Amino acid sequence: RKEVEQDPGPFNVPEGATVAFNCTYSNSASQSFFWYRQDCRKEPKLLMSVYSSGNEDGRFTAQLNRASQYISLLIRDSKLSDSATYLCVVNTRHSNYQLIWGAGTKLIIKP
Amino acid sequence: DVKVTQSSRYLVKRTGEKVFLECVQDMDHENMFWYRQDPGLGLRLIYFSYDVKMKEKGDIPEGYSVSREKKERFSLILESASTNQTSMYLCASSPTNTGELFFGEGSRLTVL
Repeated sequence: RKEVEQDPGPFNVPEGATVAFNCTYSNSASQSFFWYRQDCRKEPKLLMSVYSSGNEDGRFTAQLNRASQYISLLIRDSKLSDSATYLCVVNTRHSNYQLIWGAGTKLIIKP
Repeated sequence: DVKVTQSSRYLVKRTGEKVFLECVQDMDHENMFWYRQDPGLGLRLIYFSYDVKMKEKGDIPEGYSVSREKKERFSLILESASTNQTSMYLCASSPTNTGELFFGEGSRLTVL
């Protein structure tokens, strides 16, 4: 079993729709969680951190469920520019040396 | 803005050649990383460095070495390239253990 698992997709979603995807992690000792975004043929960029209480940044909402060991990302009112691969990242310690990366979920927003 | 620059976007090398991939960051970050990214797999850490002349093995260090002689520069070396090292190589830096890494644009290496 992979330490961090994501549905690879692609998720094909019409513009304006709401889309959500999850990421499961296997290590219950994981302490911090992140979503990165990677555009086609580009480098990953931090989208948002995921806090225990959940957090929202504009149209994006991230949530953590420790009991079931998954994090989620919800995108409301999706835009064409949201098309990208979303990478889930989990840290078992408070150290960037221990980041475990999911393989990513590909999202395609269609007009 | 933080800028991480990788020396080559695309390289084609032959089996057995020595390959240097260079990475420079301009934000005085302590931590620097080399990852490789392959389809269907998450980013895998090759080596990282938390200070000048300091280096630590990541998850897949075999076949690679690194050098960090100056704070801003972190080089990845493939002593004898092999076809299974064909991949996208990503360099990153971070100031502290915040979980935020700043990546370069990547170097796509093909080994024939």
